[in-house]
Amino acid sequence: SQTIHQWPATLVQPVGSPLSLECTVEGTSNPNLYWYRQAAGRGLQLLFYSVGIGQISSEVPQNLSASRPQDRQFILSSKKLLLSDSGFYLCAWSLWGPYEQYFGPGTRLTVT
Amino acid sequence: QKEVEQNSGPLSVPEGAIASLNCTYSDRGSQSFFWYRQYSGKSPELIMFIYSNGDKEDGRFTAQLNKASQYVSLLIRDSQPSDSATYLCAVPNQGGKLIFGQGTELSVKP
Repeated sequence: SQTIHQWPATLVQPVGSPLSLECTVEGTSNPNLYWYRQAAGRGLQLLFYSVGIGQISSEVPQNLSASRPQDRQFILSSKKLLLSDSGFYLCAWSLWGPYEQYFGPGTRLTVT
Repeated sequence: QKEVEQNSGPLSVPEGAIASLNCTYSDRGSQSFFWYRQYSGKSPELIMFIYSNGDKEDGRFTAQLNKASQYVSLLIRDSQPSDSATYLCAVPNQGGKLIFGQGTELSVKP
């Protein structure tokens, strides 16, 4: 069966510091991978998605970036965090297009 | 008009009752529909998907799709306090993205 991991689970970072969140998927090959952000009391905002190694599509212009160095690894980064970057960051995978996406446990980021 | 709309709630039902959650969508060409459950502080969990008009049943959950009226519903029979969560409706758009509604908060009172 497939499993998706994210770490860290929680993170408190000062404004202006860098960020690196990691997501890995086990038990499947060539998944589509997604990064979402959910602000407190808000819906899910798609940030990036990837259909293969090195292939990244950005949905929202911001100070975040994503990379996919391996088939089942997806990384979300920032060089300098803003207060508005606080939120619940979710990684998801799917096998076919955007359908039936399965989410990881998430990383709760607080920027102070 | 938002692509996917849900009442934010909270929807409060007594234990043992039927909870009815509704979702409307704007794209008439949508072919697949998904329901996620999200407990407070946790990530969304896929609980149902439906592709065809009509009903799809899975245990206490029934998804109902009416493409002519562009709505999809989730019924939860014999509601339990453990069903208390936010339920998210999701529909792929023509751009190939899964669009989520804002979610309906369900509270099941013992």
